[in-house]
Amino acid sequence: ELKVEQNPLFLSMQEGKNYTIYCNYSTTSDRLYWYRQDPGKSLESLFVLLSNGAVKQEGRLMASLDTKARLSTLHITAAVHDLSATYFCAVSSEYGNKLVFGAGTILRVKS
Amino acid sequence: DTEVTQTPKHLVMGMTNKKSLKCEQHMGHRAMYWYKQKAKKPPELMFVYSYEKLSINESVPSRFSPECPNSSLLNLHLHALQPEDSALYLCASSPMGLYEQYFGPGTRLTVT
Repeated sequence: ELKVEQNPLFLSMQEGKNYTIYCNYSTTSDRLYWYRQDPGKSLESLFVLLSNGAVKQEGRLMASLDTKARLSTLHITAAVHDLSATYFCAVSSEYGNKLVFGAGTILRVKS
Repeated sequence: DTEVTQTPKHLVMGMTNKKSLKCEQHMGHRAMYWYKQKAKKPPELMFVYSYEKLSINESVPSRFSPECPNSSLLNLHLHALQPEDSALYLCASSPMGLYEQYFGPGTRLTVT
């Protein structure tokens, strides 16, 4: 059974600081997704990582995938208040159509 | 059109009511999904439709009944729900295969 673990589950950061969210998964998969969710809202797709070594960047966020280590990271550079949200990683199951989500990381950026 | 729409946005229903949630997409996606999300938890998959056929049912109670009338539309029929079924219900769609899922805005359901 595919399991996805995220850490930390809660992250309080000062503006301008850097930090990394980690996402580990238990079985072979080469498809990993990062989503953002604001309170009371739906999920917004941030990154789709499709192969080993994939790295994608958008603004202050950068995501990477190491399929051999079964690890993805979401790195936050010089955090700003607008990045406050819950971030989920999700991994495709063997059959592709099923996404298994991590527990989510609640990010709070303090000014 | 690159979005998934859901109606209604909010729904309050009693335990004896029958109601339906509606989801629509016009991106040509052939896979559609229903998720349930409780506060401070990740989305939990309920159902997957592939090419308008139910392909995954995650052991969801029969008081939830999905329907896919055509490739653009997905319904979730609700009957005799319990207060613990109160949650955000999210619909998503994707092309077939290992592709990104696009989520709708959700329906906030409260069962009284």
